[in-house]
This record gives sequence, structure tokens and C-alpha cells, in this order.
Amino acid sequence: QVQLQESGPGLVKPSETLSLSCNVSGGSMSNYQWSWLRQAPGKGLQWIGYVFYTGSTNYSPSLKSRVSISIDTSKSQFSLKLNSVTAADTAIYFCAAYDVIHGSFDPWGQGTLVTVSS
Amino acid sequence: DIQMTQSPSSLSATVGDRVTITCRASQTISTYLSWYQQKPGKAPKLLIYATSTLQSGVPSRFSGSGSGTDFTLTISSLQPEDFATYYCQQSYNTRFTFGLGTKVDIK
Repeated sequence: QVQLQESGPGLVKPSETLSLSCNVSGGSMSNYQWSWLRQAPGKGLQWIGYVFYTGSTNYSPSLKSRVSISIDTSKSQFSLKLNSVTAADTAIYFCAAYDVIHGSFDPWGQGTLVTVSS
Repeated sequence: DIQMTQSPSSLSATVGDRVTITCRASQTISTYLSWYQQKPGKAPKLLIYATSTLQSGVPSRFSGSGSGTDFTLTISSLQPEDFATYYCQQSYNTRFTFGLGTKVDIK
């Protein structure tokens, strides 16, 4: 059973880079597209992007200029970098496994709140 | 991007009620639709994928239907643990988008 766990700073200053990691356990990294999503306080879900085990990526057009997702299969880990953050990037960030066959995200990490503030 | 519109945005219901939530896509998405349940402080949980296939372990009181642009999630007999927010999500293209959610609370 695949399990995911996010880690990273909970507070980032405006204009700086948000960096998070997601540790994957219990499964092969070749079976999914490893994704990041976020949820602003009291709001809906926004897909940020995904990385495949080969390193190929796909990003949301609205964030593409600021986002980078990478993978380290030797560490069973993938990472998110979002640069030039503003208060609008304050959100709970989730990592999740996207199943291409089912077209759905499952499982998810528990989520980590990142606040952008000076 | 494909816009996903859910209705209603919230509803109040009683245990035992039949509840229906609608999701409409801004263009055809065939049956590339999933439903999630989210409780406060928790990650979303996958309920249904490919419009009508129940994820393993999800109670059979949940069901999904639709195709093209119009989809529904039905809870046949609402249980106390079903009070939550529900989201639809399209995977017709790889610019995945979600509806804004439907909050189901206690009447």
C-alpha cells in the first residue's frame, strides 16, 4: 500500500522559494505520476503539476512559469519548488499519486500548511 | 482549461436522506470524472473514478453516473460519517481541474 508524507518549511517569506518534499513508501515509483496539489484556506483544490519516474513533467499553465517538480527514485522522493511566492500561495500543499489508468489521485499525503508571510 | 461546476455549493440533509450532487463540465469529458470526499483537516479521499467505478473500500451507498458534460454523485442513504465536502475532478486532459466543492452538513 503506497503511502505519502510531505515535509518542508511551514513559513516562507514573500518573493522567496517554497520547497517541499514528498516521501513515498510501500510501492514502486514507476506506477504513478507523482503530483502536487494545493488548497488555499477555505477554498477548493488546485492541481500544480506532476513528475513521472523518468523525470518528465507536466505543470498547470497558471503556475508553469514559477514551478519545478523533480524526482529522486533512489530516495523514493519527489519535490516541489515554487519561486517568487506571494501571500496568494498560502495553502495546504498535498502530494498525491495520479493513477493514469483510473484518471484519479489516490493516495494522498496528509498535507502540509505553508504560509507566505514576512 | 475545462471548468467544472458543482451544484449545489452546499446542502443540509438528515441521516437517511438520499443526496444528489451535480457536476457539469464546460466541454465534453467523456467519462473521465472522479469524485472525492474531504473532511475538515484531512486530505481528500477518492470515492469514485471513471464516473461510476467505486474505489475499493467505499460503501455501496455511494454511486456515480453521467457522461459527456453532466455527472452526478448520489448517496442513497446518508450516514453520519458522510457529512463532508465533495469534489469532482476531470482527467479528460492533463490540465486536471476540480469543482469548487459541495458541502453536505447536518440539517
